Amino acid sequence: EVQLVESGGGLVKPGGSLRLSCAASGFTFSSYSMNWVRQAPGKGLEWVSSISSSSSYIYYADSVKGRFTISRDNAKNSLYLQMNSLRAEDTAVYYCARDSGSGSYPNWYFDLWGRGTLVTVSS
Amino acid sequence: EIVMTQSPATLSVSPGERATLSCRASQSVSSNLAWYQQKPGQAPRLLIYGASTRATGIPARFSGSGSGTEFTLTISSLQSEDFAVYYCQQYNNWPRITFGPGTKVDIK
Repeated sequence: EVQLVESGGGLVKPGGSLRLSCAASGFTFSSYSMNWVRQAPGKGLEWVSSISSSSSYIYYADSVKGRFTISRDNAKNSLYLQMNSLRAEDTAVYYCARDSGSGSYPNWYFDLWGRGTLVTVSS
Repeated sequence: EIVMTQSPATLSVSPGERATLSCRASQSVSSNLAWYQQKPGQAPRLLIYGASTRATGIPARFSGSGSGTEFTLTISSLQSEDFAVYYCQQYNNWPRITFGPGTKVDIK
C-alpha cells in the first residue's frame, strides 16, 4: 500500500526540541521530493520545508528557517524534521507530503499525504 | 509572498446542488494552482492541479477553471462525501508556495 506515516509528535516546552519522522512505503521514495506541511488547530495549511530526492535542494519557510532542519534517508525510506527552539506558534499537526512529480524537478503540489502528527508547544 | 484568499468562508449547499468556490491570488500565478479537499481528522487530498486538471481518481463532478489571479472550483452535483473544507494552493512562486484559508462546504 502506498502510504506515509508520521511519528514523533508530542508535548514539548517552549525552547525545546523534537524530531519528527515520516516512513514511506509502497513507492520508490528516492525518486520524489518530499515536504512538511503544518496545520495549526482550526487553521489552514502552511508549507514548512522541502527536500529534493537526493537532498541536493532544501528549502524552508521564513517562519522556521534557522530553527528546523529537514533531512531524509533514502535507504530507510524515511523523511525527518528536526525542530529546535520551539515556540507556541509551532503548535500544529505536521503532515508529511509527497511531491506529485517523480522526475528531476518537483511540481510543488502534493499527491500523497500522511495522517499527520500533533506537536504541542506549551509550558 | 503571494497571498491567497478564498470566498466564501462557508458555503451551505443542499445535496445534488452545484457549488462554486472562488480563489484569488494577490498577483498572477499563471495556471500554477492546485485545489485540495480536507475532511475532519483527515489529511488533504489533491483534487485539481494546473488550475483545471483533475488528479488521478477524482470524479468528473469536480472541475477547476481560471488563470492569472482568479480561479474557481466547481462541484457540479454535491454528494454527501463532498462536504469538507477546500483549499487552493499556488505553486508559481516556488518554493514559497502558499495556501488559501479554505472554504468550508456544509449541508444546507
